[in-house]
Amino acid sequence: DAKTTQPNSMESNEEEPVHLPCNHSTISGTDYIHWYRQLPSQGPEYVIHGLTSNVNNRMASLAIAEDRKSSTLILHRATLRDAAVYYCILRALSNTGNQFYFGTGTSLTVIP
Amino acid sequence: NAGVTQTPKFQVLKTGQSMTLQCAQDMNHNSMYWYRQDPGMGLRLIYYSASEGTTDKGEVPNGYNVSRLNKREFSLRLESAAPSQTSVYFCASSESGYEGNYGYTFGSGTRLTVV
Repeated sequence: DAKTTQPNSMESNEEEPVHLPCNHSTISGTDYIHWYRQLPSQGPEYVIHGLTSNVNNRMASLAIAEDRKSSTLILHRATLRDAAVYYCILRALSNTGNQFYFGTGTSLTVIP
Repeated sequence: NAGVTQTPKFQVLKTGQSMTLQCAQDMNHNSMYWYRQDPGMGLRLIYYSASEGTTDKGEVPNGYNVSRLNKREFSLRLESAAPSQTSVYFCASSESGYEGNYGYTFGSGTRLTVV
């Protein structure tokens, strides 16, 4: 199964942009790149996903490298409510369906 | 919008007791999943159901059984609880298909302690 590698933790100042990196060197051509975040004591929450092109939504932007072996989640202006664990996940395909395999993610601390 | 509903939210069991964790979704999703999350760890897949009537093992299925009761409901059963099963359990659902262009919706979790 394709796996991802993320830094264990990152810090950002409030109202500054945050770039959360993810390496997925074994990604296959059909794997979508998904990002989720988990606030304390809550279930994971969908943030964004993409295949090859960069993606934007109201929460964040996703920049995907041309060779697709890495991606970056961009929070344009970090707020205290963005403090969470961020998971970069590949949507792996199999003959019986598809499912996510989570790593330990990046714990983002936002400094006021 | 209810999304994914898990019951109970909290549970304390004695070693050897059994219980069933319930999960229901109202989004007409085909696929449903059970994950566990231990302190300081990421989520690990226990079982999943790609569609009604099918179930498959994930990474850590030992000690658990599941039932896909209908399209809406997917339950997780611990037949003989062990302290190693102390964890937070999350249910999730998604559209299905042989492509990755669908996200998951997660429930708020069940915090289980086995003493």
